Amino acid sequence: SQKIEQNSEALNIQEGKTATLTCNYTNYSPAYLQWYRQDPGRGPVFLLLIRENEKEKRKERLKVTFDTTLKQSLFHITASQPADSATYLCALDDTGGFKTIFGAGTRLFVKA
Amino acid sequence: DADVTQTPRNRITKTGKRIMLECSQTKGHDRMYWYRQDPGLGLRLIYYSFDVKDINKGEISDGYSVSRQAQAKFSLSLESAIPNQTALYFCATSAGQPYNEQFFGPGTRLTVL
Repeated sequence: SQKIEQNSEALNIQEGKTATLTCNYTNYSPAYLQWYRQDPGRGPVFLLLIRENEKEKRKERLKVTFDTTLKQSLFHITASQPADSATYLCALDDTGGFKTIFGAGTRLFVKA
Repeated sequence: DADVTQTPRNRITKTGKRIMLECSQTKGHDRMYWYRQDPGLGLRLIYYSFDVKDINKGEISDGYSVSRQAQAKFSLSLESAIPNQTALYFCATSAGQPYNEQFFGPGTRLTVL
């Protein structure tokens, strides 16, 4: 079955630096991959989607890459701000595209 | 108003009690989902529904049941709650293909004593 791995250790960075989060997956070749943001006690919010034929996607200070050979996606937040502190979830579609499989998420702390 | 609402937001109950969590959406989506979230385990799918007549089990459906009363309403029931069902529960909707972007409710924090 599909498996998604995200770094369970929290990432601590200084304001203004670039945060880079990693998502690895196995046993599957998804047609697309999604990233969500989740604040404590709240529901996840969709941020970005990247398709298998896209290498990179950008949205404002966010950048996502998708390497289907390495089976890995990187999520970058440039010029990070304390307000970017949250948990970031990686998700991919299942074989039939009926369901979305979520990773456990990586907690990001941005210090002022 | 929120697109996806859940009631109650918090609930404390005792072992053996029947509990119903309700979800309503105004996004007009056909697809609705129930997830549970536990620390370190991420979101796990309990049940999903693609329309009123379509109900499917997710990866952890044992001990749970659902009802899709209308396109906009999807309820999750715990027939006899047990302590290991203590978790944060989320309802979500999506328009489906091609990219199945999920829209989540605010969550229900359930504690079973």
